[in-house]
Amino acid sequence: KAGVTQTPRYLIKTRGQQVTLSCSPISGHRSVSWYQQTPGQGLQFLFEYFSETQRNKGNFPGRFSGRQFSNSRSEMNVSTLELGDSALYLCASSPGGQAGPNEKLFFGSGTQLSVL
Amino acid sequence: AQSVTQPDIHITVSEGASLELRCNYSYGATPYLFWYVQSPGQGLQLLLKYFSGDTLVQGIKGFEAEFKRSQSSFNLRKPSVHWSDAAEYFCAVRTSGTYKYIFGTGTRLKVLA
Repeated sequence: KAGVTQTPRYLIKTRGQQVTLSCSPISGHRSVSWYQQTPGQGLQFLFEYFSETQRNKGNFPGRFSGRQFSNSRSEMNVSTLELGDSALYLCASSPGGQAGPNEKLFFGSGTQLSVL
Repeated sequence: AQSVTQPDIHITVSEGASLELRCNYSYGATPYLFWYVQSPGQGLQLLLKYFSGDTLVQGIKGFEAEFKRSQSSFNLRKPSVHWSDAAEYFCAVRTSGTYKYIFGTGTRLKVLA
């Protein structure tokens, strides 16, 4: 089974621009989560989608948004980029459904976003 | 509010030495606890998890962790470290009934030959 795929691997943008990141989950997985990773801050939860619906949301401004398609692929959008948005953005998938004890996250390798 | 604290930002050990990485959590109920490892340029890989039962859990790559409710801790241990264990380690707690994970800030492990 192919793992979680994130594209692109690297992105360079300038302040004020917007960016879209893509994530393809493991086949059959219906839950997709997004995390922002920065040095010293660890991973910060952005949001989680299940069956095209946002099920959980972290404490990020409205400039950060996402969506999920019927094939479970997900996109994350950041508008009006700021320097502080430079980070590794990680996507994770899981089978979904009820979050029982056997659920776990499978992570992609991330998209490294640099804002200049 | 739920939180996870990893007090050690960097740890350096010699190959063959024992290892303990600290993790403290704040959570109102019995937590779902995890340890993940991230190698350079890679995503996170699950090492082990705790939900209930035996407080000493075994994971992959020879790692184990012990849940201590009285200390709100979930420390990761390995008896003998290998050079390939050099990576960043993250402790996390998952809110019961949701897919929202709260991660610590990570501990970067360096292994000396």
